[in-house]
Amino acid sequence: DQQVKQNSPSLSVQEGRISILNCDYTNSMFDYFLWYKKYPAEGPTFLISISSIKDKNEDGRFTVFLNKSAKHLSLHIVPSQPGDSAVYFCAAISRGSTLGRLYFGRGTQLTVWP
Amino acid sequence: EAGVAQSPRYKIIEKRQSVAFWCNPISGHATLYWYQQILGQGPKLLIQFQNNGVVDDSQLPKDRFSAERLKGVDSTLKIQPAKLEDSAVYLCASSPGPNEKLFFGSGTQLSVL
Repeated sequence: DQQVKQNSPSLSVQEGRISILNCDYTNSMFDYFLWYKKYPAEGPTFLISISSIKDKNEDGRFTVFLNKSAKHLSLHIVPSQPGDSAVYFCAAISRGSTLGRLYFGRGTQLTVWP
Repeated sequence: EAGVAQSPRYKIIEKRQSVAFWCNPISGHATLYWYQQILGQGPKLLIQFQNNGVVDDSQLPKDRFSAERLKGVDSTLKIQPAKLEDSAVYLCASSPGPNEKLFFGSGTQLSVL
């Protein structure tokens, strides 16, 4: 039962353009969402997060948008750089839960070409 | 600040053998997690510790997997006996507490032949 879905396994973007990575979720109890970035042979590293009380959070070139009614979030990278090439995981959690389990999507491989 | 340390980085074993992974979390982090990431999938939680107590092991295949976190610091995850489908990256993560941002180690790549 995949509660967090990333339906695009890969995305290829030219350097300088915008990258948009999408994520959908099914559990309405999720109230905090995170994006992790993973390079080969390394563990995932935290990138950016958003609480369900917001619809946008920005950190430099990275912006995450949340549409609660659609149960959809997206990560925008502007401008994209070759160093952004990595696998991006969307994750969600219900902070009201005592267990604090983080659910991950399958990831999207982003390739930024010069 | 030192990150989450894991060892070994790679392990190749034959099916039915046993294997153990070790994790040392970030100092002061009370919550420790073991995740399994199969190729092409997202990380899946196997077990979550709060200090040295288990708070969630609902997805741990307990007939073959075991984990402990003695003294509430480092942790070991064991598989005995291993199956082909256990081939995956095993990620350890820690956080200051539950419901907080996770910090991951580099993982152990396990190949079961």
